[in-house]
Amino acid sequence: DAGVTQSPTHLIKTRGQQVTLRCSPKSGHDTVSWYQQALGQGPQFIFQYYEEEERQRGNFPDRFSGHQFPNYSSELNVNALLLGDSALYLCASSLTAGTRTDTQYFGPGTRLTVL
Amino acid sequence: QKEVEQDPGPLSVPEGAIVSLNCTYSNSAFQYFMWYRQYSRKGPELLMYTYSSGNKEDGRFTAQVDKSSKYISLFIRDSQPSDSATYLCAMSGAGGTSYGKLTFGQGTILTVHP
Repeated sequence: DAGVTQSPTHLIKTRGQQVTLRCSPKSGHDTVSWYQQALGQGPQFIFQYYEEEERQRGNFPDRFSGHQFPNYSSELNVNALLLGDSALYLCASSLTAGTRTDTQYFGPGTRLTVL
Repeated sequence: QKEVEQDPGPLSVPEGAIVSLNCTYSNSAFQYFMWYRQYSRKGPELLMYTYSSGNKEDGRFTAQVDKSSKYISLFIRDSQPSDSATYLCAMSGAGGTSYGKLTFGQGTILTVHP
């Protein structure tokens, strides 16, 4: 049973560029959440996708956007990159049942460096 | 003030020691409490998951939640060098509009030396 997978593993971009990160959830999961983890900090919630819609959003600017596909995989897009966007981007998948979303399982992350 | 406070350490202990890791929080809406372990340059791995107050034991790990004090703990017995990692506490609200959004502490860096 494959766990959560993310691609690419590492990415180097320059300021002002745009980036797309990808995530495939654990088998049987239908909900994808994205987190940003700066060095030495805990992960911070960016947003969550369920039924191909953004269901909840953290305190991140509109430069951060996402998408969920019918097969539950997801993309995170970041426009107009800033140096401060350098971080480990984590995808977590879970299963939603009614109003409750079960525990989240994380992928290995994509390390983004902005120069 | 952060919603979840966690002492970043670092914490260094000898092999076989009992390790105590703690977090405090301010949001009384939190109902689910988790501990994740994160090795260097890897994603967080779920260790313990508890609902509301009480204790939960799994092998060498024990999680405690005291909602009245807004305080959670993770105890590691007979610590091993392989336990060396960053330990993250995480919390979420119950149903409704929470949808399992996790709020994390900063993480505590633990080193267990032989």
